Amino acid sequence: QSALTQPASVSGSPGQSITISCTGASGNVGSYNLVSWYQQHPGKAPKLIIFEVNKRPSGISTRFSGSKSGATASLTISGLQAEDEADYFCSSYVGSGVDVFGGGTKLTVL
Amino acid sequence: QITLKESGPTLVKPTQTLTLTCTFSGFSLSAGGVGVGWIRQPPGKALEWLTVIYWSDDKRFSPSLKTRLTITKETSKNQVVLTMTNVDPVDTATYYCARTTSPAAFDVWGQGTMVTVSS
Repeated sequence: QSALTQPASVSGSPGQSITISCTGASGNVGSYNLVSWYQQHPGKAPKLIIFEVNKRPSGISTRFSGSKSGATASLTISGLQAEDEADYFCSSYVGSGVDVFGGGTKLTVL
Repeated sequence: QITLKESGPTLVKPTQTLTLTCTFSGFSLSAGGVGVGWIRQPPGKALEWLTVIYWSDDKRFSPSLKTRLTITKETSKNQVVLTMTNVDPVDTATYYCARTTSPAAFDVWGQGTMVTVSS
């Protein structure tokens, strides 16, 4: 069982916005602004889309945004597109140089 | 272009030691702030953070696997080697290596290598 809790699945229609939550605790998400989000298409390696809570790597669409409130981080995808259908994982620093991943969320674009 | 590629056995017997090599190009593990980590993913399941080694040779391990993992780097060969002792069928997974240049973020990943633990 992961230390970070994500909903198993979310869905949305093209053009809509969706938000995926990542709930941790005071010892991880709540203590550090070091939350990352990864997108993983079937059979592919994960791809970093958000780091340090709300920063986007070069080349990542502005449709992806991150935020945090207390011990819960969130990933918002606006203007949903068919290509956004994938698994999404959050990750947080937990101290002592160690990170932990969330259980993952399957996004379905209806 | 930055690339990483994992290599190693596809099948390992229980109790044996698994050794995986990550060969990378396009960056140097002697540059400040750079690290290479290992992450695994059992079939159909979530990612699991295993370990990371930094340019300074600082090493960090998952507390739950710390006693079974070793990570080393061969800077001149652009390689990072992961060893996992006493493997079990629950260690069956795709193993990824990835680069980190920002805290708690892996910005470039290898394609992954599937390892099955079975007798």
